[in-house]
Amino acid sequence: DGGITQSPKYLFRKEGQNVTLSCEQNLNHDAMYWYRQDPGQGLRLIYYSQIVNDFQKGDIAEGYSVSREKKESFPLTVTSAQKNPTAFYLCASSIGSGSPWTDTQYFGPGTRLTVL
Amino acid sequence: AQKITQTQPGMFVQEKEAVTLDCTYDTSDPSYGLFWYKQPSSGEMIFLIYQGSYDQQNATEGRYSLNFQKARKSANLVISASQLGDSAMYFCAMRETGNQFYFGTGTSLTVIP
Repeated sequence: DGGITQSPKYLFRKEGQNVTLSCEQNLNHDAMYWYRQDPGQGLRLIYYSQIVNDFQKGDIAEGYSVSREKKESFPLTVTSAQKNPTAFYLCASSIGSGSPWTDTQYFGPGTRLTVL
Repeated sequence: AQKITQTQPGMFVQEKEAVTLDCTYDTSDPSYGLFWYKQPSSGEMIFLIYQGSYDQQNATEGRYSLNFQKARKSANLVISASQLGDSAMYFCAMRETGNQFYFGTGTSLTVIP
């Protein structure tokens, strides 16, 4: 089955700790994305990567870091510098080639992060 | 200016009836795509339907259709024969020639038995 997996589903963190959220895809997609969703809100882009070993900041990158060492994987680290990290985090991927405006994003099931 | 506007925070529809969820967009790029996603209470964003700016006909996918009015810059989602399982948040999104998707704030749909 092709798809996007995110783990863990629920994550609890103490203040001051870094935490890493996993995102893996087996769709052979080049592009991957991380979004944050707060209650009652839309999605805000944190980081995206169009190709291995390259990534760009989105609208709310402060306090977050990513890596893209493999095509299949795009982990997100929420650092202690992120002042209000409690949120729902969604990872997505897309083919990343061809006409950009036709490039559909597909999402993983999400990780709900709570800072205690 | 907002790229995507969804003006209906909440909508109710009777089971088996049709419902229209509104979406307007703002772009000066002649090439763009419009997307609708469904987010049930579990949280996963499910892709429903896509409309390209150059497409002459409205997109349809099963019970979902997209009412694309280019001059009005609107891309409304029509769900026919609503089912209880359609109760969810619905998000409209747009992509231009750049890398970023723009999402609206969503519409909560409740299907009443």
